[in-house]
Amino acid sequence: AQSVTQLDSQVPVFEEAPVELRCNYSSSVSVYLFWYVQYPNQGLQLLLKYLSGSTLVESINGFEAEFNKSQTSFHLRKPSVHISDTAEYFCAVSEQGGSEKLVFGKGTKLTVNP
Amino acid sequence: GAVVSQHPSWVICKSGTSVKIECRSLDFQATTMFWYRQFPKQSLMLMATSNEGSKATYEQGVEKDKFLINHASLTLSTLTVTSAHPEDSSFYICSARVGLYGYTFGSGTRLTVV
Repeated sequence: AQSVTQLDSQVPVFEEAPVELRCNYSSSVSVYLFWYVQYPNQGLQLLLKYLSGSTLVESINGFEAEFNKSQTSFHLRKPSVHISDTAEYFCAVSEQGGSEKLVFGKGTKLTVNP
Repeated sequence: GAVVSQHPSWVICKSGTSVKIECRSLDFQATTMFWYRQFPKQSLMLMATSNEGSKATYEQGVEKDKFLINHASLTLSTLTVTSAHPEDSSFYICSARVGLYGYTFGSGTRLTVV
């Protein structure tokens, strides 16, 4: 079975600073990887995903994540954050050829301070 | 496109009563729907996977008789919390598979049992 570890439960940063949210996964088979963002009392919105091909994937709002198979990681980065990026971020994994279900990490609360 | 509408967004019920949560796919057919439960400041825990026209597959430790899932049509899946108790208070979120390894989430239902 697959599992996801998000090492940081909370990450406070100042506006316009860079940020990295860490995600490591464990699986006996190849996986697909996702980052979701959740605002208070709302569902999840997809930020970006890695299915195949280039290991660097980007979102439309400036986030990027790099799949590193040797380190089993999929860290999320943004070079300059905004106040509006304050939210909970979840890393998730789905096994290729598996049951289609997503397994989530515990989430990282990103707080951007002025 | 690919919107899942979840209702109600919040509900308060008395202990011992039942509550039904609905998720509708508005512009696509959802053959597979996932139901998650999220405790405060924690991750999403998959409760069950429902496929249209068949019985739901529950995750280990989830009571089938307490959390009734029905997926009678390609656009509607429901979760009924039967004989609710305060410990069932939580945030419930549905999700549907969309295309190739895409998932869309409902906006969630905050259930409070008093």
